[in-house]
Amino acid sequence: GQNIDQPTEMTATEGAIVQINCTYQTSGFNGLFWYQQHAGEAPTFLSYNVLDGLEEKGRFSSFLSRSKGYSYLLLKELQMKDSASYLCAVRDSNYQLIWGAGTKLIIKP
Amino acid sequence: IAGITQAPTSQILAAGRRMTLRCTQDMRHNAMYWYRQDLGLGLRLIHYSNTAGTTGKGEVPDGYSVSRANTDDFPLTLASAVPSQTSVYFCASSIENTGELFFGEGSRLTVL
Repeated sequence: GQNIDQPTEMTATEGAIVQINCTYQTSGFNGLFWYQQHAGEAPTFLSYNVLDGLEEKGRFSSFLSRSKGYSYLLLKELQMKDSASYLCAVRDSNYQLIWGAGTKLIIKP
Repeated sequence: IAGITQAPTSQILAAGRRMTLRCTQDMRHNAMYWYRQDLGLGLRLIHYSNTAGTTGKGEVPDGYSVSRANTDDFPLTLASAVPSQTSVYFCASSIENTGELFFGEGSRLTVL
């Protein structure tokens, strides 16, 4: 079966750095996506990785290792507005997105 | 309209009733999707459409139907609602099948 695993909840301090991990087992791989979802709102696209390595976009970076079935989202200089759920999704061989349950990130002052 | 719009935003429905969730986008995206989101579970694909006139079944299609008569509209119908269909429903669209989805604000449906 297809499976995306990510921690249910994480807590971090304002101004710090946090790494949210995602491991996956899917039938085929055509890219990995990270989305941010604030409580009661719609998910919004953050990043896309299809090749191994690190993609940096401002305070957010996303890393992929296809051989390990592993990705992480790195958030630097945390702000209170970063409190949200972060969803990991993998596009499988049918080009459909398989979603993890999301990691709820709580930022404390 | 800017982006993707869903209606209603919230609805309480008696079991056995028919319900249509509306979704309209003005971005001229070819691909559209319906997901449901339940606590502790990832987004699950109900139905999708890669282009106007075509639809396909996702992971959890039973009890739901869709149509795609034109590029902009992608309604989701529950023919006879059951309590297990209580969920938050998200409509989304994308340019072709890029994986970068644009979501509507969601429709919270409660079936009693």
